Amino acid sequence: EAGVAQSPRYKIIEKRQSVAFWCNPISGHATLYWYQQILGQGPKLLIQFQNNGVVDDSQLPKDRFSAERLKGVDSTLKIQPAKLEDSAVYLCASSLVASGNGGEQFFGPGTRLTVL
Amino acid sequence: GESVGLHLPTLSVQEGDNSIINCAYSNSASDYFIWYKQESGKGPQFIIDIRSNMDKRQGQRVTVLLNKTVKHLSLQIAATQPGDSAVYFCAENAGSYIPTFGRGTSLIVHP
Repeated sequence: EAGVAQSPRYKIIEKRQSVAFWCNPISGHATLYWYQQILGQGPKLLIQFQNNGVVDDSQLPKDRFSAERLKGVDSTLKIQPAKLEDSAVYLCASSLVASGNGGEQFFGPGTRLTVL
Repeated sequence: GESVGLHLPTLSVQEGDNSIINCAYSNSASDYFIWYKQESGKGPQFIIDIRSNMDKRQGQRVTVLLNKTVKHLSLQIAATQPGDSAVYFCAENAGSYIPTFGRGTSLIVHP
């Protein structure tokens, strides 16, 4: 079974530039998550999708971050404009059902973003 | 605010020893807990989970213990191997299905 795919794996940009990350979840997984993991910390959930609807985006900085999952499969996360504090690894995860219902989350390898 | 945290940021053990990684949580509404292993350059990997109606759950070489009285859970790894070297996170869900991760403990296994 193919895992969660993410691209790019690494990205270096200057502050105030824009960047987009792509995630392809495991086939059939209805729930998709985007996390931000700052060095030395645990992942922090940014947004959770159930199919193509948003379940929770309370921790997403909506003034600069946006995410979509138009067809309920792939998802993109965008930052515009980027700030220095956005430097982190952005992890995508998917699960067959929501995590709280016992749905095991499968994580992708992440995209390491460096903002200079 | 309520949070999930770990007591020890780094744990060093000898190969073959048993490892115990601890996690404290403060949200009494949490009812589902998960341990993850994260190797360098990879995303977290599910190890084992436990619901609040259980005190103990065993997997292959791993055991999770939950003490709801003191809001503490632990991950025990038997016969620790070099391949177990990684950062271990506990995560909790409290009904909203939004998992909250702790800071993580780095496990170093010496041959």
